[in-house]
Formats: sequence, C-alpha cells, structure tokens
Amino acid sequence: EPEVTQTPSHQVTQMGQEVILRCVPISNHLYFYWYRQILGQKVEFLVSFYNNEISEKSEIFDDQFSVERPDGSNFTLKIRSTKLEDSAMYFCASSGLAKNIQYFGAGTRLSVL
Amino acid sequence: GENVEQHPSTLSVQEGDSAVIKCTYSDSASNYFPWYKQELGKRPQLIIDIRSNVGEKKDQRIAVTLNKTAKHFSLHITETQPEDSAVYFCASRMYSGGGADGLTFGKGTHLIIQP
Repeated sequence: EPEVTQTPSHQVTQMGQEVILRCVPISNHLYFYWYRQILGQKVEFLVSFYNNEISEKSEIFDDQFSVERPDGSNFTLKIRSTKLEDSAMYFCASSGLAKNIQYFGAGTRLSVL
Repeated sequence: GENVEQHPSTLSVQEGDSAVIKCTYSDSASNYFPWYKQELGKRPQLIIDIRSNVGEKKDQRIAVTLNKTAKHFSLHITETQPEDSAVYFCASRMYSGGGADGLTFGKGTHLIIQP
C-alpha cells in the first residue's frame, strides 16, 4: 500500500536556526497538508496546499513558516527561525481526488534546543 | 473556527467489552467526520469516517454514529481486543469542494484494553 514518507524521522536544531522538513506524498495525490502534534496534545492543522499554492492556513502558520513543492514529488515545510515552542511532531498528509481521506506520514520529531 | 471536544480522555475497558468515545463539534457547516487511531510513536491511521448525509456507518467491530442536530458523533468498538489499545482522535471538516481543507482534531482518547 502506498505511504506518505517523511524525512528525517528526528531533527535536532538550535533555537534560531532554519529547518526544512521533507515529505513525499502518495504519488497520484493532489492535496497536501502539514500538521503538528506537541507531545501529549492533539494534532493541529498548520497548512494545506493544492495546485501549487496554499489553500488554507491556521493561526499557527505565521511568517516563520513556509511550504513549497519544489518538484513533482516533494513537499517541504520550512521554519525560518526556530523557537523552543516549535518542538513537536510534524506530520505531512496527502489526499487524492476524493479529498476526504487524508493519509498521514510517520512524522518528523523536531527538537529545538 | 471549528472546535471539537472529545470525551473521555482515558477509557479503560475489559477485553471483550464495548468502548464508546464521544465528540462534539461547533460548526454546523462541518460535513465530514473521520476517526484516527494512533499507536505509540506511530502515524495517525484512519479507521472509519462518516459524512453528514448518513447517520451511522459500520465496519466489522467498529461503528460511527452522527447526530447532526446535536452536533455530536461517536465511535463504538465492540468485542474489544488488546490490539485496540491506542489513542483515538476524532476530527471534523467542512468539505468546501474548493481547495484542500484541514481537519480539526479532538484532544484524543487513550483507550486501554485490560486483559
């Protein structure tokens, strides 16, 4: 069964550094999402992306965040200047033509020191 | 924006018994309600979903019910087994038909199946 893949599985960075989290959505999917989950808390929506532009974003997704689909397979989340409170598990998800079912990747654990 | 409340936060049941997890949502325009299961350290996985045009959906031991008037939906697991132990998240979304729509999640229920 096709899966959403995310790299790296764990990223450690210093406060103020830039990080790029990478995702490869399921190959024929058209809709892409980023979510985050702070340890022990619920999954929170960050941003969705379709047709090479942002469709929707939450209040969490401020100017420090950006997304990009640099080629036909990758979908990236960049955090420009990381803060301690950015430490969380970041999940990428994708959905196909039906749009309803969102398939999640295994996540990248971001630790900001 | 949409707000999803989920109860209980922890649920412990004897193996073989039934488990029920309940969620309420605030936005009457929401029309899609998935349930995800997340085992420790793993990705959330969709186990069942329901659209607002039906009141109930069943898949083997798992069922979901939806009450649009009251704006609540529930997950029912019958004949629970040890492998059902996990955190379960409900979610909602208004399916706009336009671009990609993000899910709003509840806080999760830690289901513990006692042998």
